[in-house]
Amino acid sequence: KNEVEQSPQNLTAQEGEFITINCSYSVGISALHWLQQHPGGGIVSLFMLSSGKKKHGRLIATINIQEKHSSLHITASHPRDSAVYICAVHSGGGADGLTFGKGTHLIIQP
Amino acid sequence: NAGVTQTPKFQVLKTGQSMTLQCAQDMNHNSMYWYRQDPGMGLRLIYYSASEGTTDKGEVPNGYNVSRLNKREFSLRLESAAPSQTSVYFCASSGTRRETQYFGPGTRLLVL
Repeated sequence: KNEVEQSPQNLTAQEGEFITINCSYSVGISALHWLQQHPGGGIVSLFMLSSGKKKHGRLIATINIQEKHSSLHITASHPRDSAVYICAVHSGGGADGLTFGKGTHLIIQP
Repeated sequence: NAGVTQTPKFQVLKTGQSMTLQCAQDMNHNSMYWYRQDPGMGLRLIYYSASEGTTDKGEVPNGYNVSRLNKREFSLRLESAAPSQTSVYFCASSGTRRETQYFGPGTRLLVL
């Protein structure tokens, strides 16, 4: 079973700061997802990546397959970025569904 | 285009009662999933359906059954609810098994 670890568990920062959230996993994967869970509970997929780097607006996700590590960066953070960010992986082989990290609770203060 | 919908939004059950959580998607997706989310733990896969007519167990299937009624609908049934099944349940769907998943709004279940 793949183990997915996220750090930090909690992060409070000031508006405008550059944010980095880390994710590491224990077993080879076919893809990694970054998800955002809003305070109201809804879950939205931000990125799915299997190599390299993806960018969407102020969000950047990178993955290093050899090191089994991914990072999510937020540039020019804003209070509306406050949410729980969740890393999840598709393991290789026939297994379906995702294995999730416990999430990083991010608060951006004005 | 509603995406993934779930009913009910909130439910209170007594131990031993049964209920069915409903999920529907209008994106013509093949794969559908049921997850549960508990405090201090990541989401965990209960059951999934890779395509219409097939279902498979995930990480925590005990105490649950599922039905893939058609391509749109995937229901989760608790035959005899237990307090350990108090959780928030999320349904999700994806085009194929390894694509981006789209989540429903969740069902908050309390078993007394």
